[in-house]
Amino acid sequence: NAGVTQTPKFQVLKTGQSMTLQCAQDMNHEYMSWYRQDPGMGLRLIHYSVGAGITDQGEVPNGYNVSRSTTEDFPLRLLSAAPSQTSVYFCASSYQRDYYNSPLHFGNGTRLTVT
Amino acid sequence: GESVGLHLPTLSVQEGDNSIINCAYSNSASDYFIWYKQESGKGPQFIIDIRSNMDKRQGQRVTVLLNKTVKHLSLQIAATQPGDSAVYFCFNTDKLIFGTGTRLQVFP
Repeated sequence: NAGVTQTPKFQVLKTGQSMTLQCAQDMNHEYMSWYRQDPGMGLRLIHYSVGAGITDQGEVPNGYNVSRSTTEDFPLRLLSAAPSQTSVYFCASSYQRDYYNSPLHFGNGTRLTVT
Repeated sequence: GESVGLHLPTLSVQEGDNSIINCAYSNSASDYFIWYKQESGKGPQFIIDIRSNMDKRQGQRVTVLLNKTVKHLSLQIAATQPGDSAVYFCFNTDKLIFGTGTRLQVFP
């Protein structure tokens, strides 16, 4: 298994541009989520999904959209990038819909810079 | 408010010594806690977990202790090695909240 795969690894955007961060997992995990990690801030939850067709907001959802059309994929969209969205983004998945009771598996992140 | 936090941002230990990383939580409806390790340039990796019906759980060179009375969690690493150098996070599944992390530095 490849686990959780994130692409691209690095991205530079200009303010106002849009882009999609890709996340795919091959473990048949029901639960998937996106976090951003900023220096000194730890990891903050952006959006999550407990299964195909179901998404919900996390702690910091503004400026981001998600969809979950398949079990395997959970893309994160930035519609109009802002410098405040400069961060490292991590996708994570879990094998149980009940995410309270199973550990998360993380990708290796996408480092995004918005100028 | 509810939070998951860490007592020390950086911990420096000598190779071969034992390391103890602490974590405090204020309120939690979840009985499940997890420790993650994050190496530079990588995503967090699962180390060990514990449920609130346990006080202690041991893995390979790692032990997690849970004190529900004072809402305190600790990760003990035995015979710390250079490969243990990383940032360590505690995680509570109730609010899906991570602490800011403790950086463990191992020197020879």
